[in-house]
Amino acid sequence: KQEVTQIPAALSVPEGENLVLNCSFTDSAIYNLQWFRQDPGKGLTSLLLIQSSQREQTSGRLNASLDKSSGRSTLYIAASQPGDSATYLCAVPGNTGFQKLVFGTGTRLLVSP
Amino acid sequence: EPEVTQTPSHQVTQMGQEVILRCVPISNHLYFYWYRQILGQKVEFLVSFYNNEISEKSEIFDDQFSVERPDGSNFTLKIRSTKLEDSAMYFCASAQFGSGMETQYFGPGTRLLVL
Repeated sequence: KQEVTQIPAALSVPEGENLVLNCSFTDSAIYNLQWFRQDPGKGLTSLLLIQSSQREQTSGRLNASLDKSSGRSTLYIAASQPGDSATYLCAVPGNTGFQKLVFGTGTRLLVSP
Repeated sequence: EPEVTQTPSHQVTQMGQEVILRCVPISNHLYFYWYRQILGQKVEFLVSFYNNEISEKSEIFDDQFSVERPDGSNFTLKIRSTKLEDSAMYFCASAQFGSGMETQYFGPGTRLLVL
């Protein structure tokens, strides 16, 4: 059974810092990995999807890496801003891309001005 | 930009009542999902739907739950007899079809409170 874990559970940084969020999964037979952002009481916004054949995916100040063999992904946020404050979730499907997503516990990020 | 929409945004109901949560997926998407998130907990998968039938369901999705795509645009989740523990945020998601198009797009959610 796939288990997804994220560390740290919470992170507080001053504006401008570069930061790394970690995600690990127990079953490496994944088709892709998706990173989401969730604002309090709101829905999930897809940030990046990284295919199992890729090692990195970038969108603006966000960079996601994937090491499938070791069961790890990282989300790198460059030059953090107060507007980045949210909970960040990673999620993986099974070995076909359209299967259910198994979500991690999330990292709650606070960026202070 | 196309987005998944959900109605209502909030619903309060009495235990034992039936509720129907509605979703309008992105128009050219073919895969549809329901997830839920109990306050303070992980997002959990409930059910996936493709080609007018359930493709996968979780242990949570018991006989009290059903899904339907009554027309070309709506996707609904029905809970026949709500329990206190059904209180949660319910998210609908949809995905397109084809390699490289697996991103699941989520709606804003329906917050269900069962009293």
